[in-house]
Amino acid sequence: DAKTTQPPSMDCAEGRAANLPCNHSTISGNEYVYWYRQIHSQGPQYIIHGLKNNETNEMASLIITEDRKSSTLILPHATLRDTAVYYCIVSSGSARQLTFGSGTQLTVLP
Amino acid sequence: GAGVSQSPSNKVTEKGKDVELRCDPISGHTALYWYRQSLGQGLEFLIYFQGNSAPDKSGLPSDRFSAERTGGSVSTLTIQRTQQEDSAVYLCASSLEGARNQPQHFGDGTRLSIL
Repeated sequence: DAKTTQPPSMDCAEGRAANLPCNHSTISGNEYVYWYRQIHSQGPQYIIHGLKNNETNEMASLIITEDRKSSTLILPHATLRDTAVYYCIVSSGSARQLTFGSGTQLTVLP
Repeated sequence: GAGVSQSPSNKVTEKGKDVELRCDPISGHTALYWYRQSLGQGLEFLIYFQGNSAPDKSGLPSDRFSAERTGGSVSTLTIQRTQQEDSAVYLCASSLEGARNQPQHFGDGTRLSIL
């Protein structure tokens, strides 16, 4: 399985865009990039996923580099409720189980 | 609600007792997954169901753990003769089908504490 690397923590001012980076240099051609977040005492929440093209939904945008070795999750207007641990995951090639790394603790500051 | 529902949300029991944890997946989701998350740790995969069958049980930590799914919907995770190291949050997720590009949607888990 491709391993991901994320910064352990980031701060963002409320109302500004939060840009969360992820490196996945060993990703294989048919593996997807998923982003989840987890707020304390809740289950992980799916945000967005993509293969090659940039994706956007009501929560966020996902920018994947052309070589697919890294990606960026963008929360366009961060709010205090976006404070959470954000996980970048490359889908497993076998049993469809998700493997969560350490993630990035995003703190949105008032 | 339309999300994954787990019950109970919290369970405290004595060492040696059996416990049953329940998961109601999102309606129409054929794939169902159980994970557990210990304090400060990442997610540990336990078992995956496609319909009522479990093609991947590789994550079950011992024969004290078992799971079943009936009617292609509700799943129950059973832990027999609980030990203190079983204390964790048990999370259930479901997806439309077990294909690689279908996202898993999680419930809020059952927090299990073994005294």
